Amino acid sequence: GAVVSQHPSRVICKSGTSVKIECRSLDFQATTMFWYRQFPKQSLMLMATSNEGSKATYEQGVEKDKFLINHASLTLSTLTVTSAHPEDSSFYICSAVGQGHYEQYFGPGTRLTVT
Amino acid sequence: KNEVEQSPQNLTAQEGEFITINCSYSVGISALHWLQQHPGGGIVSLFMLSSGKKKHGRLIATINIQEKHSSLHITASHPRDSAVYICAVRTSGSRLTFGEGTQLTVNP
Repeated sequence: GAVVSQHPSRVICKSGTSVKIECRSLDFQATTMFWYRQFPKQSLMLMATSNEGSKATYEQGVEKDKFLINHASLTLSTLTVTSAHPEDSSFYICSAVGQGHYEQYFGPGTRLTVT
Repeated sequence: KNEVEQSPQNLTAQEGEFITINCSYSVGISALHWLQQHPGGGIVSLFMLSSGKKKHGRLIATINIQEKHSSLHITASHPRDSAVYICAVRTSGSRLTFGEGTQLTVNP
């Protein structure tokens, strides 16, 4: 099956700093990537939909200036958590959809801890 | 009421038991996905269904479009099957709506 990677897998940062998370489709071109966050014992919550070459579409309640998404190429999308706070600590998961397809392939996730 | 409801929320079984996890949805869908999430967090897609039944190893997934219901069955369960199983429906484009997940624990 299609492979999606995320980097880093874990990151600890201090409050007020910014953290960038990368999502890569390794063996296919992803026209769309989704970014989710997941709190313990809860399901995935969609944060934003990212289409290559255009601005991301954010879900209601998600601050676009705080969670910057860039999808500059067909194999890479980045999520930058700016001025991170402890309440941003969560598990962030991306998924990618190939050109002309609908199935989402999920990355392994990034656990962010803000101290 | 959530658009996607799963039951049970938690399930504990003994190794070897037959397991069923149910998913009901209230919207029109183009496909339904069963996903598996292990304690480390990574998500694996088990099945994508739009009708009928699919089988992969000890896993079987069925869907009844008229009744808006799907089931995931695990035969001869094993402790390594312990994970969270998530039902997700695709309504438009590639966007998914997720159920709350079922935490399965299989004891040896």
